[in-house]
Amino acid sequence: DAKTTQPTSMDCAEGRAANLPCNHSTISGNEYVYWYRQIHSQGPQYIIHGLKNNETNEMASLIITEDRKSSTLILPHATLRDTAVYYCIVRVEYGNKLVFGAGTILRVKS
Amino acid sequence: DGGITQSPKYLFRKEGQNVTLSCEQNLNHDAMYWYRQDPGQGLRLIYYSQIVNDFQKGDIAEGYSVSREKKESFPLTVTSAQKNPTAFYLCASSTPYSPLHFGNGTRLTVT
Repeated sequence: DAKTTQPTSMDCAEGRAANLPCNHSTISGNEYVYWYRQIHSQGPQYIIHGLKNNETNEMASLIITEDRKSSTLILPHATLRDTAVYYCIVRVEYGNKLVFGAGTILRVKS
Repeated sequence: DGGITQSPKYLFRKEGQNVTLSCEQNLNHDAMYWYRQDPGQGLRLIYYSQIVNDFQKGDIAEGYSVSREKKESFPLTVTSAQKNPTAFYLCASSTPYSPLHFGNGTRLTVT
């Protein structure tokens, strides 16, 4: 599975959009981009995933560049409850191994 | 409600003792996984199982053992051979078409 690179930490004001970047320059054509988040001492929670097209669900939007070498997770109106570690992962669609990096610590501040 | 149950939430053991962590799922998922997380770090894969009675080593399998006798259950044994067993252990399950669902973890402390 391809490796990902994320910033160590980011701050965001409450109510503003949080934009979390991820680089995955070695991604293969059949690998999806997944985003999870982990609140302290809990299991990771699935947020969203995509292959080529931008995706949106009730939690977030995922923007994938045309060359698929990077992506951005957007939380449109961040709240204090969105403070967590966010992991960007690439995974073959039917693959069984998810490789987690250290993720980005997002701090939402009032 | 469907989900993954890990028990207990906190576990304490003396060095040299084997300990088994429980993971049960009622999602009817074929695949199950065990990850280990150390403070400030990401998750590392210990073992995974794609089907009953079959499992594969992950990246850090040494000192651990698993069994998969039932679809719903994937217990992890931390043996005395594991040199640094104190960690947060996470169990997950999935189908080939779905994201992984995680339990809320077991924090193991070995002294």
